[in-house]
Amino acid sequence: DTEVTQTPKHLVMGMTNKKSLKCEQHMGHRAMYWYKQKAKKPPELMFVYSYEKLSINESVPSRFSPECPNSSLLNLHLHALQPEDSALYLCASSQGPSLNTEAFFGQGTRLTVV
Amino acid sequence: SQELEQSPQSLIVQEGKNLTINCTSSKTLYGLYWYKQKYGEGLIFLMMLQKGGEEKSHEKITAKLDEKKQQSSLHITASQPSHAGIYLCGADGSQAGTALIFGKGTTLSVSS
Repeated sequence: DTEVTQTPKHLVMGMTNKKSLKCEQHMGHRAMYWYKQKAKKPPELMFVYSYEKLSINESVPSRFSPECPNSSLLNLHLHALQPEDSALYLCASSQGPSLNTEAFFGQGTRLTVV
Repeated sequence: SQELEQSPQSLIVQEGKNLTINCTSSKTLYGLYWYKQKYGEGLIFLMMLQKGGEEKSHEKITAKLDEKKQQSSLHITASQPSHAGIYLCGADGSQAGTALIFGKGTTLSVSS
């Protein structure tokens, strides 16, 4: 199984809503990542979890709250988002904290904030 | 911080033609990754290069990393409509050496 599964595929939420994005992998990878991608732009790193601990937060606003409940699961909790937060949110995983193998990406969650 | 410049920004080629995409780094690369993305979808891993002068091929796609490890090229031979998409080069851009950052991408269209 070389898949990273993201749910939901699409999400529309209001600015006062609370929602969560979910990412799952069963490859035994110990590093997991959240990226944000706006239209016609490259993915931008948001968070890195290494061995279930947050190792990098790229100055992401607190309305985005990551969580790694176990080694296979990564969540991104969303609260009080703004319309400019609408984007494709990509999850990725890799074997370990050192980048010597490829990162596998999920298909993304298309988020629209209204 | 690491910066990756890709060229060209976009490319339209006729089916069957060869093409090359370049990726230049502001710093020495310790690992260079090529990914392909269809619009609105996830990234598909193509190849990883780590050693100066390294060259890898998969089907009709060849990637090279120069000896100085600051420039990489992706070459597609006899392009097909299935090669169309966005090609992204990625490299380790974090202080901790743990996460990929990407160039701005090259959008490839293949006309039949």
